[in-house]
Amino acid sequence: GAVVSQHPSRVICKSGTSVKIECRSLDFQATTMFWYRQFPKQSLMLMATSNEGSKATYEQGVEKDKFLINHASLTLSTLTVTSAHPEDSSFYICSAREAGGNEKLFFGSGTQLSVL
Amino acid sequence: AQTVTQSQPEMSVQEAETVTLSCTYDTSESDYYLFWYKQPPSRQMILVIRQEAYKQQNATENRFSVNFQKAAKSFSLKISDSQLGDAAMYFCAYSPRGNYQLIWGAGTKLIIKP
Repeated sequence: GAVVSQHPSRVICKSGTSVKIECRSLDFQATTMFWYRQFPKQSLMLMATSNEGSKATYEQGVEKDKFLINHASLTLSTLTVTSAHPEDSSFYICSAREAGGNEKLFFGSGTQLSVL
Repeated sequence: AQTVTQSQPEMSVQEAETVTLSCTYDTSESDYYLFWYKQPPSRQMILVIRQEAYKQQNATENRFSVNFQKAAKSFSLKISDSQLGDAAMYFCAYSPRGNYQLIWGAGTKLIIKP
């Protein structure tokens, strides 16, 4: 099956620094990628939808200047958490839709962000 | 608004037995997809099974099967011959056809007793 590589799997950073998370589709072209945030013992919360070559669409309540999303190619999307604070600590997951695919999404393995 | 409800925060089952996880949803769409995803302790989201709303036949994947009741907007997951490796969080999800944004249920934690 299709593989989505997400890294880093875990990152610890100091408050005020920026962290970049990468999401790559390894064996398919992803026209659309989704970024989720998951709090402990909760469901996934959609943060934004990114389409290759265009600006991301953010869900209500998600600060676009805080969570910068870039989808510059059909195989790579990045999420940058800028000026991270402890409340940004969370598990972040990406998923990708295959171009011409049939409603199947493929998920990355997630990134646990801890901001000290 | 489209919503997905999983009313069982936690379920437990004896190994080798059968368990059913419940999911209901609300939508005014007629064409959509329903999914069950498994999230083990590794936190990798794994697709268990997918159902297309226009197909009356219930989807089956080995030991996993669904009971899709479109009129009742119900989509339960049955796991037969439960195995220790089935222990995980199970999420029910919905998406209208052509819209890949999943709407998620709150999840059910499945515990397998050896």
